[in-house]
Amino acid sequence: DAKTTQPPSMDCAEGRAANLPCNHSTISGNEYVYWYRQIHSQGPQYIIHGLKNNETNEMASLIITEDRKSSTLILPHATLRDTAVYYCIVRGAGNMLTFGGGTRLMVKP
Amino acid sequence: KAGVTQTPRYLIKTRGQQVTLSCSPISGHRSVSWYQQTPGQGLQFLFEYFSETQRNKGNFPGRFSGRQFSNSRSEMNVSTLELGDSALYLCASSLPSGASTDTQYFGPGTRLTVL
Repeated sequence: DAKTTQPPSMDCAEGRAANLPCNHSTISGNEYVYWYRQIHSQGPQYIIHGLKNNETNEMASLIITEDRKSSTLILPHATLRDTAVYYCIVRGAGNMLTFGGGTRLMVKP
Repeated sequence: KAGVTQTPRYLIKTRGQQVTLSCSPISGHRSVSWYQQTPGQGLQFLFEYFSETQRNKGNFPGRFSGRQFSNSRSEMNVSTLELGDSALYLCASSLPSGASTDTQYFGPGTRLTVL
């Protein structure tokens, strides 16, 4: 599976949009981009995934660039409960997820 | 639908002992994967089971083993515990195809402390 690069930490003001970037320049055509988050010492929580089109669900939006080499997870109105480590994962076939260091998002009042 | 459940949630053992952790997947999910999370190494894949067979395995020593039962519940065992085995052990379940679109859902984890 392709490797991802994320900033180690980011801050966001409560109520504002949080935009979390991810680079995956070696992604293959059949690999999906998945986002999970982990709130302190809990199991990772699935957020969203996509292949090439932008995706939106009740939690977030995923914007994937046309060349698929990078993506952005958008939390439209961040709350304090969104403070977590966010992991961007590029996944091919199979159930072995490769986690990187993730981005520690701190939402501040 | 109930989520992935893991028992026990917390465990304290001493070096040299062995430990068994349990995972019950989401109803209808037949693939179960295990991960280890430590501050130094992050989240690492241990192994995956489907239809009572190990389908994938990460780079861990043979002291780490697992099994899956016919009802898809899974257990993992660590023998001859070492201090470095102290970690959060996470279980994730998914539909069995292994396709890129089969989302894995994680349980709350078992926190193992080895003294």
